[in-house]
Amino acid sequence: DGGITQSPKYLFRKEGQNVTLSCEQNLNHDAMYWYRQDPGQGLRLIYYSQIVNDFQKGDIAEGYSVSREKKESFPLTVTSAQKNPTAFYLCASSTGTGGDDGYTFGSGTRLTVV
Amino acid sequence: EDQVTQSPEALRLQEGESSSLNCSYTVSGLRGLFWYRQDPGKGPEFLFTLYSAGEEKEKERLKATLTKKESFLHITAPKPEDSATYLCAVQDVLGNNDMRFGAGTRLTVKP
Repeated sequence: DGGITQSPKYLFRKEGQNVTLSCEQNLNHDAMYWYRQDPGQGLRLIYYSQIVNDFQKGDIAEGYSVSREKKESFPLTVTSAQKNPTAFYLCASSTGTGGDDGYTFGSGTRLTVV
Repeated sequence: EDQVTQSPEALRLQEGESSSLNCSYTVSGLRGLFWYRQDPGKGPEFLFTLYSAGEEKEKERLKATLTKKESFLHITAPKPEDSATYLCAVQDVLGNNDMRFGAGTRLTVKP
């Protein structure tokens, strides 16, 4: 079955540590996205990529980095510069515009600072 | 800047009690308005896309409608399994296919 896989499901980060969240899709989608979800707030866009080897900053890119070396993969690194990283992170993918089918989301990674 | 506001924040219904959720939006030009369902600890699941005012789409007990300023998600005779958070999102014609999401409405249906 086609889908989008995020790992790990839970992640704990120590102060000053970089961590990487994995996102893999086998839907042959061109576009991939990273969103952050905090309680009581809507999903906020961190980074997105419409083609391999190209990506753009979203509304809250500071303290995060991404790469898109393969169509299937779009990992997100939460760096030590991100001062409040505790949140639920969602990866999504779509065809070019995500129109008729919307985005397909992964099941999320919950990151906690310890 | 595009804005999406959903109301109410939370809604509690008895099984069979129909109601509507509201999504008000501001965009330069609407490419599409999207509804998603999200269960606790899971990623959102796509429900509908609406493109132009007057359009309606239905799926089981859900019907989404669209005007130039807002969208409604009507829930007819809800069941406990309809309990979830419902998210609204918009795409702007001047954007890059990214979506801006509202904060969601948390629906609870009691048996």
